Amino acid sequence: AQKITQTQPGMFVQEKEAVTLDCTYDTSDQSYGLFWYKQPSSGEMIFLIYQGSYDEQNATEGRYSLNFQKARKSANLVISASQLGDSAMYFCAMREPLSGGYQKVTFGTGTKLQVIP
Amino acid sequence: DAGVIQSPRHEVTEMGQEVTLRCKPISGHNSLFWYRQTMMRGLELLIYFNNNVPIDDSGMPEDRFSAKMPNASFSTLKIQPSEPRDSAVYFCASSFRTVETQYFGPGTRLLVL
Repeated sequence: AQKITQTQPGMFVQEKEAVTLDCTYDTSDQSYGLFWYKQPSSGEMIFLIYQGSYDEQNATEGRYSLNFQKARKSANLVISASQLGDSAMYFCAMREPLSGGYQKVTFGTGTKLQVIP
Repeated sequence: DAGVIQSPRHEVTEMGQEVTLRCKPISGHNSLFWYRQTMMRGLELLIYFNNNVPIDDSGMPEDRFSAKMPNASFSTLKIQPSEPRDSAVYFCASSFRTVETQYFGPGTRLLVL
């Protein structure tokens, strides 16, 4: 079963506008974490933001914020004041437990965001 | 500070050849991850080391793939023999103590002809 679902394969946004990238997740664990990564056309994976399942406040990092709705199991990324450099693939990911107290991260399929001048 | 270093950045080889990908994690990080990214399957975790010990290798496709971490500053992912379906971008990532913040290397783009 898909653990991380990103239903928007592609999105367009006008420069300086805000955009929301959707992410829903599936887990039965009480303790988990959610992340967003950015992958520009150059290929590197850049960590953007993290939200823990017990965090009461939504995480924010500069122009990035994570809209965490636990009951709905959603962790949408909001980018405010879009810039041309925000054009990239965006991946939602979830930390899940392994046996022995270890954990691993599962990634969604990504959303390609294009910022229009 | 240097980030995660991967070599080579690009590799073109012929089917049946052995391929070795290399990774140097960020100094002080004790967890290391190998991922494979393809258009069809997205980003898949192949194997995860913690303190140089393999913790989860359930993502390793088959016996042709093997990974080692002889010390805290070096890991290899080997494919022998390589096949065209192994063509992908292979990422190495490392993290300190927790899995929350994984820092990725630039990736190795592998093409098997």
